[in-house]
Amino acid sequence: KAGVTQTPRYLIKTRGQQVTLSCSPISGHRSVSWYQQTPGQGLQFLFEYFSETQRNKGNFPGRFSGRQFSNSRSEMNVSTLELGDSALYLCASSQWGLAGGSSYNEQFFGPGTRLTVL
Amino acid sequence: AQKVTQAQTEISVVEKEDVTLDCVYETRDTTYYLFWYKQPPSGELVFLIRRNSFDEQNEISGRYSWNFQKSTSSFNFTITASQVVDSAVYFCALSEGETSGSRLTFGEGTQLTVNP
Repeated sequence: KAGVTQTPRYLIKTRGQQVTLSCSPISGHRSVSWYQQTPGQGLQFLFEYFSETQRNKGNFPGRFSGRQFSNSRSEMNVSTLELGDSALYLCASSQWGLAGGSSYNEQFFGPGTRLTVL
Repeated sequence: AQKVTQAQTEISVVEKEDVTLDCVYETRDTTYYLFWYKQPPSGELVFLIRRNSFDEQNEISGRYSWNFQKSTSSFNFTITASQVVDSAVYFCALSEGETSGSRLTFGEGTQLTVNP
């Protein structure tokens, strides 16, 4: 199985611009979550999409948005970029299941997109 | 509210030493999942292990072992005979039951440096 892919890997933008990041989950995984990682705040949950619907949302302003397509690929968009949006953005591909009579939750991450806002 | 605490911000050891990374979690759910991830300098979060709340068996995988104790809400990670390649940031994470979705709450991470 192919892993989680994220594009682009690196991005440089200026304040006020907008940006779109893409994530392709593992085949068969229907849930995609996005995380922001910064040195000061650590890893913070942005939102989760499942079957094209936003299922969970973290505490981020409305400038951060996302969507999921019918093939489970997801995009996140950040509008009106601020310097503080510089971060590593990670996408996680998830699946729930049963094995040996016990439930499990798989969560695998992509390599991330490193966004720099100048 | 769920919370994960990794009290050790940085640990430095000499190669071949054993090292234990601590993780304490808080949750109100009876069904939850615990994870450990490794983040090398490249930035990608590498999955190491997951555990559900009903499986308290400890696990060993090569030089890695995990000790899950519900009584103390801890899920500690031990590396035996550490190697320089083990140098990375390690994150412990918690996900609550399926009805809560796949949201992960991460600890602050522990920077492990293994010196030759």
